[in-house]
Amino acid sequence: QKEVEQNSGPLSVPEGAIASLNCTYSDRGSQSFFWYRQYSGKSPELIMFIYSNGDKEDGRFTAQLNKASQYVSLLIRDSQPSDSATYLCAVNRGTSGSRLTFGEGTQLTVNP
Amino acid sequence: EPEVTQTPSHQVTQMGQEVILRCVPISNHLYFYWYRQILGQKVEFLVSFYNNEISEKSEIFDDQFSVERPDGSNFTLKIRSTKLEDSAMYFCASSSGETQYFGPGTRLLVL
Repeated sequence: QKEVEQNSGPLSVPEGAIASLNCTYSDRGSQSFFWYRQYSGKSPELIMFIYSNGDKEDGRFTAQLNKASQYVSLLIRDSQPSDSATYLCAVNRGTSGSRLTFGEGTQLTVNP
Repeated sequence: EPEVTQTPSHQVTQMGQEVILRCVPISNHLYFYWYRQILGQKVEFLVSFYNNEISEKSEIFDDQFSVERPDGSNFTLKIRSTKLEDSAMYFCASSSGETQYFGPGTRLLVL
């Protein structure tokens, strides 16, 4: 079983639509959850982090966490062509300095 | 806004040669990390560093790898004898707590 699993995509949505990205993780000791965006050939760029069950909103982005189901998701509202990238889900054990474990990423394309 | 910087952006080397990848973490951060990403694959953790010593390392980080903080600003990753399979993008990251910020990466190609 993969430690962090994401729907591999590619995911294609029209401009203005909601994009939904999903991630499951196997380590029940995971405490902190991160979404990074990675453009082709570039480094991961932090979008959001979430620690507590429920929803967390930041602008057009909403992260959702359900620790009982070991599930975390990212919703992107009003998707723009500039959102086209690979989205990486990452988890760690919630202590400073602990490793991030990444999923393989979901490639998102937003069509104008 | 403070950023993690890395040099060089690209490095080409011959198999068996030593390479040193350099990073300048964000200035008030205390935790430093190296990750790598082989083309088309996921980002993988190599090592974390705190208070001038390794705090955690992965199975990938074998005796061929070492890290050092030679002065107050730089953080380096040394690969002693490169192999073809070391070809990858190497990312440095830093954090003051749990949230890690990544540098732009060094693309290493071993021929």
